[in-house]
Amino acid sequence: AQKVTQAQTEISVVEKEDVTLDCVYETRDTTYYLFWYKQPPSGELVFLIRRNSFDEQNEISGRYSWNFQKSTSSFNFTITASQVVDSAVYFCALSAPSRGGGSQGNLIFGKGTKLSVKP
Amino acid sequence: DSGVTQTPKHLITATGQRVTLRCSPRSGDLSVYWYQQSLDQGLQFLIHYYNGEERAKGNILERFSAQQFPDLHSELNLSSLELGDSALYFCASDPGELFFGEGSRLTVL
Repeated sequence: AQKVTQAQTEISVVEKEDVTLDCVYETRDTTYYLFWYKQPPSGELVFLIRRNSFDEQNEISGRYSWNFQKSTSSFNFTITASQVVDSAVYFCALSAPSRGGGSQGNLIFGKGTKLSVKP
Repeated sequence: DSGVTQTPKHLITATGQRVTLRCSPRSGDLSVYWYQQSLDQGLQFLIHYYNGEERAKGNILERFSAQQFPDLHSELNLSSLELGDSALYFCASDPGELFFGEGSRLTVL
């Protein structure tokens, strides 16, 4: 079975704090893709990152960084020096060939982590 | 702006009714994916079309159907609506990462 677990339902931090959002996944596929999406209060889903299963390099994009560890099946997301505009629900998602369709777009999402950043 | 267009943005209807949600993928994208986001089930994949053909089905109810037209826009038809069908319905296109539209919020009263 394939599954994505985001154990943290809600996190509240004060502006400028660093915060890490956890994501643990399960899949038997050797080739798969992991994603993070942001859903601000306005409701749209904003793509943040895609990582394939063969690329374990960590990635940094401005204040955002991602740590992919196959050994622990985790793909964690860290926001450094958080800002009020980071307040949103963050979703981790998994795509694997066995889900059918031969594309990367058939995603299984975690339940999301609601991040509140207070001034 | 993801480039994926969805209409209507909001829709309120009654139980037993039928509605149609429309999606236009980004220019040049051949795929359309439909997702449902509800409080109970979270974000769920419903169905995927590629260049007019159905490619994969997820947790889509039999009361729901979709199609993709030659101009690549897609429609999701929801019939015999129930209260539990109230949700945010997203459309997305790729290749690579999914780019989502802003969603259609359906409220069934």
